Amino acid sequence: GAVVSQHPSRVICKSGTSVKIECRSLDFQATTMFWYRQFPKQSLMLMATSNEGSKATYEQGVEKDKFLINHASLTLSTLTVTSAHPEDSSFYICSARWAGENEKLFFGSGTQLSVL
Amino acid sequence: GQNIDQPTEMTATEGAIVQINCTYQTSGFNGLFWYQQHAGEAPTFLSYNVLDGLEEKGRFSSFLSRSKGYSYLLLKELQMKDSASYLCAEGSGAGSYQLTFGKGTKLSVIP
Repeated sequence: GAVVSQHPSRVICKSGTSVKIECRSLDFQATTMFWYRQFPKQSLMLMATSNEGSKATYEQGVEKDKFLINHASLTLSTLTVTSAHPEDSSFYICSARWAGENEKLFFGSGTQLSVL
Repeated sequence: GQNIDQPTEMTATEGAIVQINCTYQTSGFNGLFWYQQHAGEAPTFLSYNVLDGLEEKGRFSSFLSRSKGYSYLLLKELQMKDSASYLCAEGSGAGSYQLTFGKGTKLSVIP
């Protein structure tokens, strides 16, 4: 099966700083990646759809200027949380769809962000 | 938007069988997924149904009824390691496969 690597797994930062999270498809090319956010005891909420070589598509209520997404290559998408605040503390997970198994999404291992 | 409902918590005994139900209300249905998620980890794929009926994969089976907007995940011969959250998710958006997740069912397996 396909492997999606996400880094870092855990970040603790001060309020006001920016945090970058990387998501890589290790053995396949992913033209589309998805970024989710999960608060404790809540469901995964889709934040944005990241398309290689074009602008990301953001879900309603997600600030595109705060959550910057870059998908510069077929194997890498990054999510930057700019000027992070405590309310941004959450579990962020990326996923990618592999054409080889069309019905599946493969998830990264997630990033636990804690903003102090 | 989608409205996906599943029980919040369930408890079952090791070795037993448990069924986790999921209902959804939506248009643009493009498949029903089940994922397993252990605390602090990313979800892992369990099953995918797009046609009515039962799909069996070892100890796990998943059922779908499109006319009723209903699915269930059946876990047999429960093991302690099956304690996790089970997420029902609906696929939509042809070609992009966006998933909308339910809140998950936290399953506790007890000895």
